[in-house]
Amino acid sequence: EVQLVQSGAEVKKPGESLKISCKVSGYSFYTYWIGWVRQRPGKGLEWMGLIYPDDSETRYSPSFQGQVSVSVDKSFTSAYLHWSSLRASDTAMYYCVRRSTDGGFDYWGQGTLVTVSS
Amino acid sequence: SYELTQPPSVSVSPGQSASITCSGYNLGNKYTCWYQQKPGQSPVLIIYQDAKRPSGIPERFSGSNSGNTATLTISGTQDMDEADYYCQAWDSSTEGVFGTGTKVTVL
Repeated sequence: EVQLVQSGAEVKKPGESLKISCKVSGYSFYTYWIGWVRQRPGKGLEWMGLIYPDDSETRYSPSFQGQVSVSVDKSFTSAYLHWSSLRASDTAMYYCVRRSTDGGFDYWGQGTLVTVSS
Repeated sequence: SYELTQPPSVSVSPGQSASITCSGYNLGNKYTCWYQQKPGQSPVLIIYQDAKRPSGIPERFSGSNSGNTATLTISGTQDMDEADYYCQAWDSSTEGVFGTGTKVTVL
């Protein structure tokens, strides 16, 4: 069974750094792109970036380029989303996703709620 | 940047058909996907490659894509179909941009 299990909710202050994780199981970690999607409270879905675990090639949405970074740890079959300096506007639910070879995100994690408040 | 526009809301009576449009420049030359998201849940892929359904998705969900518009149709809408629906476009330039989302209400 394919599973993407994300780390728990976070409450941080503006300016702090953060890394959230997505543990993958049930398929070959190396052969599917892993992505991240943001959903602000009451708002729509926004694609942030993708990473190919085999060679760590990354692709970012222009809206998120330079704002976040995505990485993987093959030994833990996990993907990560990292902020170096959070802002209140980063408050959102973040989903990790698997990109299907046919296009589209066919598996989603349960989401990680990030709250940034002073 | 590439944009996909959906109507904010669509209302449908139980048993009737609902159509949700997704508009974008030259969208017919890209692959589209559709997702369903119910309150408090992660989205679910319901259509990929314009018109294909993943395993387990009911046949009442269908998709098409031509010109500048992709369409998701729900035939014989059920109460359980009340949700938010998002389109998504895929090609080498858009890399998965989402539409603005449509709230479907079953009256």
